[in-house]
Amino acid sequence: GAGVSQSPSNKVTEKGKDVELRCDPISGHTALYWYRQSLGQGLEFLIYFQGNSAPDKSGLPSDRFSAERTGGSVSTLTIQRTQQEDSAVYLCASSAQPETQYFGPGTRLLVL
Amino acid sequence: KQEVTQIPAALSVPEGENLVLNCSFTDSAIYNLQWFRQDPGKGLTSLLLIQSSQREQTSGRLNASLDKSSGRSTLYIAASQPGDSATYLCAVRGGGATNKLIFGTGTLLAVQP
Repeated sequence: GAGVSQSPSNKVTEKGKDVELRCDPISGHTALYWYRQSLGQGLEFLIYFQGNSAPDKSGLPSDRFSAERTGGSVSTLTIQRTQQEDSAVYLCASSAQPETQYFGPGTRLLVL
Repeated sequence: KQEVTQIPAALSVPEGENLVLNCSFTDSAIYNLQWFRQDPGKGLTSLLLIQSSQREQTSGRLNASLDKSSGRSTLYIAASQPGDSATYLCAVRGGGATNKLIFGTGTLLAVQP
């Protein structure tokens, strides 16, 4: 009965470094979402997966951000050449399409 | 572009009081609306989901209503308890193929013992 899990829970990195954030959705959930929560912007959508495909990438803020999902399960969000404005909590959610989205605890990213 | 607003931004009430949190959205073409709570440093916990065809949903001391035509939803909390202290977020899912949630700005609730 595990929920959505994310790793790492906290990440501190230096400006310019690449980071990878991982999300393990609830087993059997075909839909997976990434959101970002920052002080200035509230909670905003980044990308949505249905299976391994991403029909909606409209929220990715720049080409430094990318995400993939493999085996219809685990997803990785990659941020290249991190900037200080990337500091935020990155939240992952999954759903048994198309209903309630269940959220993970988030990864707190701090870019120094 | 869908915009979701929550009023008030913060609320402090004594224990036992009934309270109402408000959520408004600009585009009434929604698929559903979901209320979440977020505790400090934690993820989001889903409280209630209302489909666009529904008018309200109830779970325990919580009741959420939806008036799609006017772009409004309310979350009613009965007999508030200190454990209800958290940030409450509403989110709408638009119609069409997109499944993304558009979140409101949140209401920070403090229930004083």
